[in-house]
Amino acid sequence: QVTLKESGPGILQPSQALSLTCTFSGFSLSTYGMRVSWIRQPSGKGLEWLATIDWDDDKYYNPSLKSRLTVSKDTSNNQAFLKITSMDSADTATYYCAWTSRAPFAYWGQGTLVTVSS
Amino acid sequence: DIQMTQSPPSLSASLGDKVTITCQASQNINKYIAWYQQKPGKAPRLLIRYTSTLESGTPSRFSGSGSGRDYSFSISNVESEDIASYYCLQYVNLYTFGAGTKLELK
Repeated sequence: QVTLKESGPGILQPSQALSLTCTFSGFSLSTYGMRVSWIRQPSGKGLEWLATIDWDDDKYYNPSLKSRLTVSKDTSNNQAFLKITSMDSADTATYYCAWTSRAPFAYWGQGTLVTVSS
Repeated sequence: DIQMTQSPPSLSASLGDKVTITCQASQNINKYIAWYQQKPGKAPRLLIRYTSTLESGTPSRFSGSGSGRDYSFSISNVESEDIASYYCLQYVNLYTFGAGTKLELK
């Protein structure tokens, strides 16, 4: 059974960097074809794909945010990470990680709310 | 970048109705479209992948079709548990979500 859970700081100040962790079970990110992605959703708004990391460490980023994003993984501890620099109030959202194998974003974490406020 | 234009933004239906949501891609996405259901306070749930393949556990009243740039998602015989927001996703080239459709009861 695949499960994922996001963790983060909850609140941070403008201009700070956000670091998020996705801890998962039920698959290995070193197995061929596996990938973990990050998606966010401002309250009451739509979904926005941010970044994806593959089993072979290939990385993909949303072109509109690419300069601010870094995705990485720790396969031995079943974790994936997302860093976003220069956070602003517009980045306030629920951040999700999701698993892709045959199907895109087949399983999601519960999400973690990140609020950017001074 | 591929853009996804989803319509309508909201939809009002009675129980038992058939409803249809459309997504138009800015270019041919070769059927690489998925559909998600999201209920308030919950993570999205994958219902359909590759245009029309139902995921395990997706009721048969859900369906998808389309090709090229134009795709649709339908719910026949709407039930109360279907009240949610629905999103399309293209995954042929990176990923792009549609803006979403909120399904409400009439």
